[in-house]
Amino acid sequence: EAQVTQNPRYLITVTGKKLTVTCSQNMNHEYMSWYRQDPGLGLRQIYYSMNVEVTDKGDVPEGYKVSRKEKRNFPLILESPSPNQTSLYFCASSFRVGGTEAFFGQGTRLTVV
Amino acid sequence: GENVEQHPSTLSVQEGDSAVIKCTYSDSASNYFPWYKQELGKGSQLIIDIRSNVGEKKDQRIAVTLNKTAKHFSLHITETQPEDSAVYFCAAAHNFNKFYFGSGTKLNVKP
Repeated sequence: EAQVTQNPRYLITVTGKKLTVTCSQNMNHEYMSWYRQDPGLGLRQIYYSMNVEVTDKGDVPEGYKVSRKEKRNFPLILESPSPNQTSLYFCASSFRVGGTEAFFGQGTRLTVV
Repeated sequence: GENVEQHPSTLSVQEGDSAVIKCTYSDSASNYFPWYKQELGKGSQLIIDIRSNVGEKKDQRIAVTLNKTAKHFSLHITETQPEDSAVYFCAAAHNFNKFYFGSGTKLNVKP
């Protein structure tokens, strides 16, 4: 089954404790990206990757890091989480640029206290 | 940067009626406009998209229209069904790089 898998689904952590949210796709997609969803703001792009070892900042990259060492995985790293990073995070992937179906993961609800 | 506004924030229709969700964007360089459906507890799925060189696109009960001059695009769902109930997001992007999303519309289709 074609899917984008995020882990964990739910996470509560403390300020400053480094964490990683994993994202994996099994469709050999080139394009992957991370979004955060906040009430009234919709989805905002954090980082995206056009291919292995190719990443770029989205709209709200501050406080986040990503890596794309292999095609299937695109982890989101919070080196020092802060309460304003409490949000619902989505990973997405698609085969190529434009005009093709995009798949989203089920989301990771992160709370930073 | 781009600014995408989406209206309405909630929409309630009777089963069988049509639903229309509208979005406006600010950056004339945006050339790709997808619509996503997010169901409770699931990730979002692309349901239809349109590029700037096309004015309208249809896929069964779903259609999207784009007015480049006015910088707005709309999602039209005809003959709505209860399973259409979800949150819908519009987005605008330039060459499929940075995506800017609307704030979402919660559609409720009453049986």
